[in-house]
Amino acid sequence: ETVLTQSPDFQSVTPKKKVTITCRASQSVGNRLHWYQQKPGQSPKLVIKFASQSVSGVPSRFSGSGSGTVFTLTINSLEAEDAATYYCHQTWSFPGLTFGGGTKVEIK
Amino acid sequence: EVQLVQSGAEVKKPGEPLKISCKDSGHSFSTSWIGWVRQMPGKGLEWMGIIYPGDSDTRYSPSFQGQVTISADKAIKTAFLQWNSLKASDSAMYYCARLNDRIDPFDIWGQGTMVTVSS
Repeated sequence: ETVLTQSPDFQSVTPKKKVTITCRASQSVGNRLHWYQQKPGQSPKLVIKFASQSVSGVPSRFSGSGSGTVFTLTINSLEAEDAATYYCHQTWSFPGLTFGGGTKVEIK
Repeated sequence: EVQLVQSGAEVKKPGEPLKISCKDSGHSFSTSWIGWVRQMPGKGLEWMGIIYPGDSDTRYSPSFQGQVTISADKAIKTAFLQWNSLKASDSAMYYCARLNDRIDPFDIWGQGTMVTVSS
């Protein structure tokens, strides 16, 4: 099983600052690493696909980078509506899909 | 707009069976994969299993193999997740979600079905 480890578990950030979340895979997943945003009481929502590809309707302040085993989700100029938990997810090992443990982003 | 609409919240007793559903309002039900994801209270996302309704090819996470059954009915564009005998530890929110292809992300998610198992 491909284990995804996210860091940090929690971040408290002032509006307009940059947020960086890291996801490390226990083995290479190529670029088949995706990021989701989940707000309280809502279903997860895809924000970045294939490590760095943008998703239609998602603000451009969200970006992703990385390949192989280390990936980063960046939120530039954080806004209040970005308060959520963010999860990485790999589809390299299909059907052995896995999620990271999540990173909660709080607005200071 | 493609949507996955899940059945409503359930309250059951330990030992009871349960089958929850996920209906696809789009046109690609038979050519997409539908996965199920568990989220226990206050916890993260866990992938349970996935089905390709076109030919009923079904795969399970080792953690859930033998604990649940995933099925689909192409005629009504609906996927199902069922338990034969619920446990209190099955209390959780369950999401269905769509993959267009096996390498793709889950691009469409259902609204979730809350399952509560309590005596």
